[in-house]
Amino acid sequence: NAGVTQTPKFQVLKTGQSMTLQCAQDMNHEYMSWYRQDPGMGLRLIHYSVGAGITDQGEVPNGYNVSRSTTEDFPLRLLSAAPSQTSVYFCASMQRGAAEAFFGQGTRLTVV
Amino acid sequence: SQELEQSPQSLIVQEGKNLTINCTSSKTLYGLYWYKQKYGEGLIFLMMLQKGGEEKSHEKITAKLDEKKQQSSLHITASQPSHAGIYLCGADSRRSGGYNKLIFGAGTRLAVHP
Repeated sequence: NAGVTQTPKFQVLKTGQSMTLQCAQDMNHEYMSWYRQDPGMGLRLIHYSVGAGITDQGEVPNGYNVSRSTTEDFPLRLLSAAPSQTSVYFCASMQRGAAEAFFGQGTRLTVV
Repeated sequence: SQELEQSPQSLIVQEGKNLTINCTSSKTLYGLYWYKQKYGEGLIFLMMLQKGGEEKSHEKITAKLDEKKQQSSLHITASQPSHAGIYLCGADSRRSGGYNKLIFGAGTRLAVHP
């Protein structure tokens, strides 16, 4: 059972480049979310989804797009990367109403 | 929007000592979660508290949710080097039955010296 898989683990982008961070889960969870983690600021919610076809903004959505075409996948898109988006990104999934969220291992993104 | 404040921001203790981490919410908590993160890795679920006055334990870690449901404390008894990491509290500000929108505090960095 793979759980939540994030790819890539590391990425370096130039300012203005675009890329997609991938997140996949094999637990048939309804709820998926993306967080960024910066020093001293903990985890901040970027976008989340409560099911296929349904997404909503979190605390820091600007500069990021998401879509949820399937239950399994929840990609995060950076359309035009900026140095302020340098961070560690975590994807999580959980079943609605459940106690435990499952997190991926993170993607460390550097924008130069 | 709801905010979670954790204290202390960092903590260094000697192996065998007890310690407490606090998490205070700006709004009533309908679900309070504690997670642990080892440096450079993802988060691991420790426990969830929902009812005022509730207390749960996981090995040598005990968490409580106060009666007014706006503060939680995490207590580690006889700390070990394996307890080192970042402890984050998370909250679901929606009433039960709603969708989970988890937000987190800034975390408490714990170092345990042998």
